[in-house]
Amino acid sequence: GAGVSQSPSNKVTEKGKDVELRCDPISGHTALYWYRQSLGQGLEFLIYFQGNSAPDKSGLPSDRFSAERTGGSVSTLTIQRTQQEDSAVYLCASSTPGHPTDTQYFGPGTRLTVL
Amino acid sequence: KQEVTQIPAALSVPEGENLVLNCSFTDSAIYNLQWFRQDPGKGLTSLLLIQSSQREQTSGRLNASLDKSSGRSTLYIAASQPGDSATYLCAVKEETSGSRLTFGEGTQLTVNP
Repeated sequence: GAGVSQSPSNKVTEKGKDVELRCDPISGHTALYWYRQSLGQGLEFLIYFQGNSAPDKSGLPSDRFSAERTGGSVSTLTIQRTQQEDSAVYLCASSTPGHPTDTQYFGPGTRLTVL
Repeated sequence: KQEVTQIPAALSVPEGENLVLNCSFTDSAIYNLQWFRQDPGKGLTSLLLIQSSQREQTSGRLNASLDKSSGRSTLYIAASQPGDSATYLCAVKEETSGSRLTFGEGTQLTVNP
């Protein structure tokens, strides 16, 4: 079946603009996660959705970052008034919590460059 | 706060060698530990997941072990091949932090033909 997909694959924007990143999880996966991978940094957790609710959004770095999930499926991560330090690869993952393997499956990521 | 460390940061070996990648974590209250592979410009591919009650998992030429009490895991790659060249990441899921994964910074492996 199809894996996790993300769009766009690359996004170049100017400082101060807003951007939206999209994630389509694996069909039937109830959990969805956003992570960020910056140059020279490890992968950082941003937010976790179970269904349409976000029980853990503690990794969002500032109030410029927000995310939503609709229909228990697609999620959008929005960054307002982008800054150069927001440049990173944004990765989305999905899983079925409670499943014996409990593996998180990752998408290919969106590479965001803020000029 | 959980911290995950991977040693070495980079490793270069000739084809055919057996090798070990190391991962350590500071809080042993984990639910599971996962090893991933990341190719340049790509997302992460899950290799092995070890539940906290398990000691090891095997898949083909890969074997991952877990010593939860000492906060350590190793990924053993047998008979390495150039196609194994990638960055290997380990990540832990804690018992108390919900479903988030905490990642190490990775080991960049190069297998030379």
